[in-house]
Amino acid sequence: AIQLTQSPSSLSASVGDRVTITCRASQGIYSALAWYQQKPGKAPNLLIYYASSLESGVPSRFSGSGSGTDFTLTISSLQPEDFATYYCQHFNNFPLTFGGGTRVDIK
Amino acid sequence: EVQVVESGGGLVQPGGSLRVSCAGSGFSFKTYGMSWVRQAPGKGLEWVSHISDSGYSTYYADSVKGRFTISRDNSKNTLYLQMNNLRAEDTAVYYCAKKRGTSGVYFDYWGQGTLVTVSS
Repeated sequence: AIQLTQSPSSLSASVGDRVTITCRASQGIYSALAWYQQKPGKAPNLLIYYASSLESGVPSRFSGSGSGTDFTLTISSLQPEDFATYYCQHFNNFPLTFGGGTRVDIK
Repeated sequence: EVQVVESGGGLVQPGGSLRVSCAGSGFSFKTYGMSWVRQAPGKGLEWVSHISDSGYSTYYADSVKGRFTISRDNSKNTLYLQMNNLRAEDTAVYYCAKKRGTSGVYFDYWGQGTLVTVSS
């Protein structure tokens, strides 16, 4: 199974900061990667698919990049509603796997 | 409005069985693959199982293979997960998730989750 390693596992940032989260796959997955945001007690919400395509309704401050084994999620200017946990997920083949998550806290 | 709503969670003893359900509405249920994803308390997301739109193809995580069975009834717009020989480590919120499109298995709609607790 393909393993996804996210870094950092947590970070503290201020409103307005630029935030970058990394997801590394244990083998090449082309661009078959999605990013989700999850707030406490809520279901995940799709942000990005195929590594860089922005889901409808998601603010443009979110962006994704990468292909092969290395991917990034960037929040260009952190907003109060962005404090949450972020997960990457590959869909190159089965079994699907998720990264361990990155918790973004208020500094 | 697209909705997926899980039900059927609860407390079950180790070695026991439970079936959870997911009702879809607001979209053509028979057109989309569906998955179950779980989240143990305080932990990350773990994909459990996926079923194709027709129900012909099914896939499982190694951790549940041979114990869990995914199925669907497109006439009832309902997805199921039959869980047998449950273990303490199966304790989690179980989410039902709708595949976004026709290619690539990632998810645009999720239910609110149903909690399954395995304990004596």
